Amino acid sequence: AAGVIQSPRHLIKEKRETATLKCYPIPRHDTVYWYQQGPGQDPQFLISFYEKMQSDKGSIPDRFSAQQFSDYHSELNMSSLELGDSALYFCASSPRRDLSTDTQYFGPGTRLTVL
Amino acid sequence: KQEVTQIPAALSVPEGENLVLNCSFTDSAIYNLQWFRQDPGKGLTSLLLIQSSQREQTSGRLNASLDKSSGRSTLYIAASQPGDSATYLCAVETNTGKLIFGQGTTLQVKP
Repeated sequence: AAGVIQSPRHLIKEKRETATLKCYPIPRHDTVYWYQQGPGQDPQFLISFYEKMQSDKGSIPDRFSAQQFSDYHSELNMSSLELGDSALYFCASSPRRDLSTDTQYFGPGTRLTVL
Repeated sequence: KQEVTQIPAALSVPEGENLVLNCSFTDSAIYNLQWFRQDPGKGLTSLLLIQSSQREQTSGRLNASLDKSSGRSTLYIAASQPGDSATYLCAVETNTGKLIFGQGTTLQVKP
């Protein structure tokens, strides 16, 4: 079965550079969630999209922006990177027919290292 | 603000033991509660999802219970195996669909 695809899987950037992470949801899933997991930390919700519109926003820095495109894939753009942005970034998708029953399927994550 | 807490933070048991992982949450207005497994440096694998109207779910050697009124969930692992060694995360889903995670319990099962 198709899973959530994230690219790239690993990314190394310098401070103050820009990074773009991509997420391709499971076919027919219209909702995408982004989470950030710092070293030794639990995943923290960043932002979510439903039918290409932002549906919720968490602790996402102003330096980050995201969008969902017409084919439902999503991109997380991160500018002016800081050392503290080094983390594992997960994307999850859901069909969102019923929040109480539809689990989120997580991608393998993108490991971002900021030097 | 919803907060999720997991106890213990780490657990080491000999192979074959039955064990219980605990999760508590402060706001009972949840849509569901999920238990995930995470291997070091890897992604999240959903183990069990308990809807807010349910009391428990079972999958193989895993059984998860939910007491919404007291804000607690437990994950019971029967006959633990070394392959069960991983970090177990519980997460509650809010009315917007976002998941709020606990800090996880790191389990080591020794052969």
